[in-house]
Amino acid sequence: SQQGEEDPQALSIQEGENATMNCSYKTSINNLQWYRQNSGRGLVHLILIRSNEREKHSGRLRVTLDTSKKSSSLLITASRAADTASYFCATANNAGNMLTFGGGTRLMVKP
Amino acid sequence: NAGVMQNPRHLVRRRGQEARLRCSPVKGHSHVYWYRQLPEEGLKFMVYLQKENIIDESGMPKERFSAEFPKEGPSILRIQQVVRGDSAAYFCASSPSHRGNDQPQHFGDGTRLSIL
Repeated sequence: SQQGEEDPQALSIQEGENATMNCSYKTSINNLQWYRQNSGRGLVHLILIRSNEREKHSGRLRVTLDTSKKSSSLLITASRAADTASYFCATANNAGNMLTFGGGTRLMVKP
Repeated sequence: NAGVMQNPRHLVRRRGQEARLRCSPVKGHSHVYWYRQLPEEGLKFMVYLQKENIIDESGMPKERFSAEFPKEGPSILRIQQVVRGDSAAYFCASSPSHRGNDQPQHFGDGTRLSIL
């Protein structure tokens, strides 16, 4: 499997529920980033967590990083219909010039 | 809008023609990245450029594909003699420094290339 694999591939929840997405990677990293993509649009950066950090919050987003397991999770609390999108994790190579993306989690939040 | 601007948004070409995709980075950003995305998949890195230099083209096919980022003007991704397999969304991103480790990349809305 490729660097940065998301799980699940698709997730459907009701508005107000929490959504959790997971990401696994293979090589050592400096940081891991989460992006969001609405249909037909480009990616929007959500949050960056460095390898020496274990948890980070931004609004309704909570990201964890476990470097021993080479995994990260993105939690969206109190989801809204507007959160419907694809979510990708990405890792940067050591030179910092290339992001490797996973296949994404397609989140649908039903009103 | 000071974001990354890509044009055209949609491009249709017949097999054998050339496709030119343009990207204007965020003002002040001197680092540009091109990615390709197939339907239902994540983005795949193609090439990383600074002004007048290709820094890393490890993700770009050796034949038919080329990229440039001239001193003046937008970055161009050129695909010669297009084939059906080139159909995809091509995204450009920019950053103010090469240290993607510390800074997020800013993405355009992409060019959707369709080959007839």
